Amino acid sequence: QVQLVQSGAEVKKPGASVKVSCKASGYTFTSYHMHWVRQAPGQGLEWMGIINPSGGSTRYTQKFQGRVTLTRDTSTRTVYMELSSLTSEDTAVYYCARGEQWPIWGQGTMVTVSS
Amino acid sequence: QAVVTQEPSLTVSPGGTVTLTCGSSTGAVTSGHYPYWFQQKPGQAPRTLIYDTNNKHSWTPARFSGSLLGGKAALTLSGAQPEDEAEYYCLLSYTDARPVFGGGTKLTVL
Repeated sequence: QVQLVQSGAEVKKPGASVKVSCKASGYTFTSYHMHWVRQAPGQGLEWMGIINPSGGSTRYTQKFQGRVTLTRDTSTRTVYMELSSLTSEDTAVYYCARGEQWPIWGQGTMVTVSS
Repeated sequence: QAVVTQEPSLTVSPGGTVTLTCGSSTGAVTSGHYPYWFQQKPGQAPRTLIYDTNNKHSWTPARFSGSLLGGKAALTLSGAQPEDEAEYYCLLSYTDARPVFGGGTKLTVL
């Protein structure tokens, strides 16, 4: 079935980077964009960016421009979200979600930034 | 960046009807914003209920419907069930192709 499986929880120190993966299965990987969304504890959803797995083109919200990088590996059907210069405000659950009607979301990856 | 506004909280009686709305700081919401509606229950990932204003996924209960109402996107729940108690988020797309989520509506069925 169509599925997105994300990597496990991470604990990082301020100033570090984190890289979260999202492995797709059950559909043609290169046919659908992938969104990344985050949710801080007790807060709402926040759109971060999108990648086209076919050509690798990306688009980010201005808030994260320069600090977030989305990449993909077509051989493993995996999309990656890397966020750098982490602060405590980046503590959140990070989700991937398939574009075009958003039919499926990953289970989420908790990233905790703490000294 | 545009600001997308939703009611912070609403309450509906079991079996009742409630409408959640989604407005944009840039003006009236139209079909060109391709409104989406998501449901999220505590500890779970969001689930997409409505896409492109009024289209349902196969798993979307028939009691949910999407529309445009008074310059806003709207999600109407007719015949609320206890399991509909959740947080609901809308998402609007803009010409810069950077969609924006609303702040969410906490729906209580009581």
